[in-house]
Amino acid sequence: QKEVEQNSGPLSVPEGAIASLNCTYSDRGSQSFFWYRQYSGKSPELIMSIYSNGDKEDGRFTAQLNKASQYVSLLIRDSQPSDSATYLCAVKEGRRALTFGSGTRLQVQP
Amino acid sequence: KAGVTQTPRYLIKTRGQQVTLSCSPISGHRSVSWYQQTPGQGLQFLFEYFSETQRNKGNFPGRFSGRQFSNSRSEMNVSTLELGDSALYLCASSLTGSSEQYFGPGTRLTVT
Repeated sequence: QKEVEQNSGPLSVPEGAIASLNCTYSDRGSQSFFWYRQYSGKSPELIMSIYSNGDKEDGRFTAQLNKASQYVSLLIRDSQPSDSATYLCAVKEGRRALTFGSGTRLQVQP
Repeated sequence: KAGVTQTPRYLIKTRGQQVTLSCSPISGHRSVSWYQQTPGQGLQFLFEYFSETQRNKGNFPGRFSGRQFSNSRSEMNVSTLELGDSALYLCASSLTGSSEQYFGPGTRLTVT
């Protein structure tokens, strides 16, 4: 079982809709959770970090964490074609290295 | 503040050769991590350095090595290159005590 699991997609949503990206992790000791966005041919860009259960909002992005169920999600409201990218979930436990999921490809249709 | 910089951006090498990649972290960041990204394996952790000491190491063969200098700049070296080493090599830096990592643009290595 992979440590961080994501559906590879593509997830296709129409412009203006809410895109919901999900991630599950296996290490119950994980403490820090991150979402990165990676455009084709570019490097990952940190867009959200979350450390405690609940929701964290930043503009059109909301990260949700449920440690009991070991999942973290990213909601993108009012999706735009420019949001089309691969979204990587990353998880960290203590001083261990960051572990990445394989990413979900999001396509926002104009 | 300038971001993470990596040099060179593109590199073509022949099997059996060795290569050295360089990374300069964001000013004030003392932790540097290296990753290999391939279409088949995704982002895989190579190693992490903090204050010139290797703090974590991924599951890569000994042909992959790295180091960090007193100014926090880091280099990674791959010896005896194989075709499978063709990948995007990414460096990320973070502040002391923070788990948030910021990536550089990467070095695209092609081994022929």
